[in-house]
Amino acid sequence: NAGVMQNPRHLVRRRGQEARLRCSPMKGHSHVYWYRQLPEEGLKFMVYLQKENIIDESGMPKERFSAEFPKEGPSILRIQQVVRGDSAAYFCASSPQLASYNEQFFGPGTRLTVL
Amino acid sequence: QQQVKQSPQSLIVQKGGISIINCAYENTAFDYFPWYQQFPGKGPALLIAIRPDVSEKKEGRFTISFNKSAKQFSLHIMDSQPGDSATYFCAAIQPGNQFYFGTGTSLTVIP
Repeated sequence: NAGVMQNPRHLVRRRGQEARLRCSPMKGHSHVYWYRQLPEEGLKFMVYLQKENIIDESGMPKERFSAEFPKEGPSILRIQQVVRGDSAAYFCASSPQLASYNEQFFGPGTRLTVL
Repeated sequence: QQQVKQSPQSLIVQKGGISIINCAYENTAFDYFPWYQQFPGKGPALLIAIRPDVSEKKEGRFTISFNKSAKQFSLHIMDSQPGDSATYFCAAIQPGNQFYFGTGTSLTVIP
């Protein structure tokens, strides 16, 4: 049973380009969460999605960032017109269902570097 | 605003010693408190978790102590080993699955 998969593991973009980060949840998991981790900082919640629905995007920057979790395929975190401040590790987590005590299983992360 | 405050930021412990990491919160709606362990280049992995109706939970060398009235909880690693060297995050969850993480503690266990 494969864990949460993220790709690419490392992504380098120049300022102004677009970054697309992919997350495939664990089999049977229908809830996906995206987090951003800056050096020396903790994990910051960005967005929580179920299939075809955004449940909570309170942590998403208002501009340039979007996320989706289509009926088929992985969840995508899209960053348009990247800036140096977007350089960070982006982690995806998945859980099987909505419940207070559900563990979130994390992927290995995508490390985005903006030149 | 940081919902969960974690300290210390870094910790160095001798092999065999006790590592203690503390977290505090304000939101009484939180109802689940997990700790995650993260090795360099990896994603966080659940280590141990506790519900607020329990004051202590132990799993092997790892113990969570929970003080509901003080809104504080801590992770104790007994007989710390070099393999425990990692970054540890506390978290608090409120109904609706909203996770709030602490800023992390970098633990180094010296042989």
